[in-house]
Amino acid sequence: AQKVTQAQTEISVVEKEDVTLDCVYETRDTTYYLFWYKQPPSGELVFLIRRNSFDEQNEISGRYSWNFQKSTSSFNFTITASQVVDSAVYFCALSEAQGNDYKLSFGAGTTVTVRA
Amino acid sequence: KAGVTQTPRYLIKTRGQQVTLSCSPISGHRSVSWYQQTPGQGLQFLFEYFSETQRNKGNFPGRFSGRQFSNSRSEMNVSTLELGDSALYLCASSSRDETDTQYFGPGTRLTVL
Repeated sequence: AQKVTQAQTEISVVEKEDVTLDCVYETRDTTYYLFWYKQPPSGELVFLIRRNSFDEQNEISGRYSWNFQKSTSSFNFTITASQVVDSAVYFCALSEAQGNDYKLSFGAGTTVTVRA
Repeated sequence: KAGVTQTPRYLIKTRGQQVTLSCSPISGHRSVSWYQQTPGQGLQFLFEYFSETQRNKGNFPGRFSGRQFSNSRSEMNVSTLELGDSALYLCASSSRDETDTQYFGPGTRLTVL
């Protein structure tokens, strides 16, 4: 069963528009971690943000913000005032901290294209 | 600190050959995980090594193996290559502490002809 679902395959916006990426996860664990990674055309996965299951406080970091809601198992990510350099594939990931299981389960990714 | 490094960056092999990929983690990180990324299957976990021991393994055939050295560097080996093994292989390192954030290298692009 898919543990992380990113329903949006592609999003295209004009520069300076906001972009919100949806992520829905599935787990039976009470302790888990959620991540967002960015993969530019170069291929390297770049860590963006992390949230643990006990902290539902939503935060803003620069142009990034996130909305974590355990009640709906969602971990959405927003880029404010998008820029061309934000064009990349964005992955939501789940790490279930049970025993020695530290593997990341990734969603299928959302391709974001920011047009000048 | 230097980031995660992977060598080589690109590889071209033919079916039936074997290949070894290398990963050097961030200094101080003792956990190294490997992932395979393909257009069809997305990002899939291969295995994790911590303190030279395999701690976790994904659902891949035995042709995929790995090891970790005392300096935490890791190698991944794929024997008897198949066309379907063409992929981007990503290595990630973490300190395996409570934050457990995995930091990824640039990947090795393997093409099997």
